[in-house]
Amino acid sequence: AQTVTQSQPEMSVQEAETVTLSCTYDTSESDYYLFWYKQPPSRQMILVIRQEAYKQQNATENRFSVNFQKAAKSFSLKISDSQLGDAAMYFCAYRHPDKLIFGTGTRLQVFP
Amino acid sequence: KAGVTQTPRYLIKTRGQQVTLSCSPISGHRSVSWYQQTPGQGLQFLFEYFSETQRNKGNFPGRFSGRQFSNSRSEMNVSTLELGDSALYLCASSLGGQGIYEQYFGPGTRLTVT
Repeated sequence: AQTVTQSQPEMSVQEAETVTLSCTYDTSESDYYLFWYKQPPSRQMILVIRQEAYKQQNATENRFSVNFQKAAKSFSLKISDSQLGDAAMYFCAYRHPDKLIFGTGTRLQVFP
Repeated sequence: KAGVTQTPRYLIKTRGQQVTLSCSPISGHRSVSWYQQTPGQGLQFLFEYFSETQRNKGNFPGRFSGRQFSNSRSEMNVSTLELGDSALYLCASSLGGQGIYEQYFGPGTRLTVT
């Protein structure tokens, strides 16, 4: 069975600094998708970034980028120039084929 | 385009009762998935519907059921409520069909069982 592990329950970062959230997963599949979702205190889950396993190039969305290491089954999220609005729970998720399997989440605090 | 909507947003029920939650997907989306979120168990997949058919199911008892209508709206039903069913229930929609599409989440329904 596929599993997703986020080993950092909490992280903190200073405004304008960079922070990296870790995620590892376990699967025997070769084709799958990985996502990072953000859940602010308002509870609406928001898609941050996605990565297709067959693509070697790391995905980037503005200040958010991933470091995808397929052989190591690692999928970390880097947030550059952190902003107060980035404070939230961040969930790493694996999808194959029709359901999302989530990690336990990392709570990110951003300090001014 | 309007996002995923869920009704009601908050619900208080008594043990033993049943409850129905509703989800309206983004226009054009044909797949609806349901998730349960609790502090102890995190986010767990309940089931997914595509074109009115249940395509995938998580490890939940038969008290949890769902359905999807021809307009892609979906309902989730929980019968004989237990205290442990208190949770945030999230609905997510995606285009569905061939390929992997992003899931877009609704704001959730907060269910409290007393």
